[in-house]
Amino acid sequence: GDSVTQMEGPVTLSEEAFLTINCTYTATGYPSLFWYVQYPGEGLQLLLKATKADDKGSNKGFEATYRKETTSFHLEKGSVQVSDSAVYFCALSDLQAGTALIFGKGTTLSVSS
Amino acid sequence: DAGVTQSPTHLIKTRGQQVTLRCSPKSGHDTVSWYQQALGQGPQFIFQYYEEEERQRGNFPDRFSGHQFPNYSSELNVNALLLGDSALYLCASNLIMGGNSPLHFGNGTRLTVT
Repeated sequence: GDSVTQMEGPVTLSEEAFLTINCTYTATGYPSLFWYVQYPGEGLQLLLKATKADDKGSNKGFEATYRKETTSFHLEKGSVQVSDSAVYFCALSDLQAGTALIFGKGTTLSVSS
Repeated sequence: DAGVTQSPTHLIKTRGQQVTLRCSPKSGHDTVSWYQQALGQGPQFIFQYYEEEERQRGNFPDRFSGHQFPNYSSELNVNALLLGDSALYLCASNLIMGGNSPLHFGNGTRLTVT
């Protein structure tokens, strides 16, 4: 079945460092890909999405490109802030078929000043 | 514009008891999904409700059941609670019509089974 694999955390960075969180997926169809963020004590918030190959999702300085050839959707940010500390989840779904989101296990990011 | 709201925020139950969790979807949304998030794990899909019917179901036993009301709000019921049911239960809503918009999540209900 469909699945998502994320890099293990935690990821610890200093403020203004470059961030990459790797995500690869396995899917039988043509899924949409998502990054969700979960701040402490809160639910998940949609960070960005991409619905087809070569699409780039972006939001709040974060970017991810849908790479069909490598089945990847890596999250990047050029300069992280302390406020970016959270758990990041990669997920996939076939939106047109109305299928449920399948999540990775999450990657904890901790940014220090 | 209120987002997805869930109640209660925290709940403690004893093994073998039954629990009901509640969810109100974001305004304008017609579909509600429930996810279970164990500590340190990603959310896992329980089921989805649309037009007051269960449309999809994940790999969860029949002890997990749900309901959707005419105003689109939803309940999740879990019977015969096990210690392993302790988790954060997340409700999410979206709009099926027009191509299935991305999910919006509530802050969750933290269930502890002792």
